[in-house]
Amino acid sequence: SAVISQKPSRDICQRGTSLTIQCQVDSQVTMMFWYRQQPGQSLTLIATANQGSEATYESGFVIDKFPISRPNLTFSTLTVSNMSPEDSSIYLCSVRSSDNTEAFFGQGTRLTVV
Amino acid sequence: AQSVAQPEDQVNVAEGNPLTVKCTYSVSGNPYLFWYVQYPNRGLQFLLKYITGDNLVKGSYGFEAEFNKSQTSFHLKKPSALVSDSALYFCAVRERGNNRLAFGKGNQVVVIP
Repeated sequence: SAVISQKPSRDICQRGTSLTIQCQVDSQVTMMFWYRQQPGQSLTLIATANQGSEATYESGFVIDKFPISRPNLTFSTLTVSNMSPEDSSIYLCSVRSSDNTEAFFGQGTRLTVV
Repeated sequence: AQSVAQPEDQVNVAEGNPLTVKCTYSVSGNPYLFWYVQYPNRGLQFLLKYITGDNLVKGSYGFEAEFNKSQTSFHLKKPSALVSDSALYFCAVRERGNNRLAFGKGNQVVVIP
């Protein structure tokens, strides 16, 4: 299984500011996925990040709000821009197993916007 | 479109009793099915998966799940629940050829000592 490290593990931010979340994987992977888990809710896919190309965003998520970088095969960042209290969630990074079946997740970043 | 339903919000079970967490799914083609567990302030941990083959799959911590194609179900089971099994459990499905993983809403399992 892959080991995924996310930073920061939690943060409290002022509205209107931006936060960049980092995701580091211990092996090279083609695709990295970013999810949001709102309080008491399930996981929702934000976007899929492939190295060397633009991220693919799901319906309801836009690049201006959630810009993503994927500079190499082991690292990605997600920025939550111009934050509002509605952005308070857990943000999770995920990668696939080598046989492209199960997903593995980082420990998540718990974001609170005040 | 692919989707998952976990009909119960919370499952309460006495320690030592069998635990069942229900999951039904909807896909156009053949599914990959997964169960994950989330402990407080932690990410999701993979429990088990159904890809192909035997309908009964065994996973971590004594959990198992049975794929039932006719009922489009993939219920999670454990013969004897432990207090440490108290957590949030998510069922997920991914249609073959689709990169997106669809999650159910999650079930809170409470194991009562």
